[in-house]
Amino acid sequence: DQQVKQNSPSLSVQEGRISILNCDYTNSMFDYFLWYKKYPAEGPTFLISISSIKDKNEDGRFTVFLNKSAKHLSLHIVPSQPGDSAVYFCAASAPGANNLFFGTGTRLTVIP
Amino acid sequence: ETGVTQTPRHLVMGMTNKKSLKCEQHLGHNAMYWYKQSAKKPLELMFVYSLEERVENNSVPSRFSPECPNSSHLFLHLHTLQPEDSALYLCASSQERLAGVTDTQYFGPGTRLTVL
Repeated sequence: DQQVKQNSPSLSVQEGRISILNCDYTNSMFDYFLWYKKYPAEGPTFLISISSIKDKNEDGRFTVFLNKSAKHLSLHIVPSQPGDSAVYFCAASAPGANNLFFGTGTRLTVIP
Repeated sequence: ETGVTQTPRHLVMGMTNKKSLKCEQHLGHNAMYWYKQSAKKPLELMFVYSLEERVENNSVPSRFSPECPNSSHLFLHLHTLQPEDSALYLCASSQERLAGVTDTQYFGPGTRLTVL
């Protein structure tokens, strides 16, 4: 059973507007969450992370929000730029585990 | 070279062939990983090596055989694969600070494998 879910396979946003990518998880033991970005023909690139002791982490145009009670996290990109067009993967890990559990990804298209 | 490199980038093989995928990390990390990404499925962890010892093997068929000769290199040896093994194989590395406590994983570009 998939422990990390990204229910939107794709998202289109106008340049300059906000992109919101969502991720849900089922394992309450997860304590560290990451977002990766993947361009075609490249491996995933780390973007931003958050630990479960926080509910928000910001890095430039990228902000990740964590709602532990809802087992939900989101990635906000503002303002969105055409170069942000990529597939975004949410991932999570639990203490004492080497695994990262990944979602299936959301393809973001930023329209110029 | 910087980051994590993988060779070859593309591989086509028959079911009776034997081939190897290579991964090299230039980040000074002590943990390395093999992942498989099939179409429309999440990345699946296959193997984890920490300090050159295999610490995880996620029920991967024996036709996949990993090798970690040192902390910078990781191989995935392939033999008698099936067409359903066609996928993108990604290598990653990270720094493991304590047992099971690992920093962010950094990925290579992947090897696109097609089994005919």
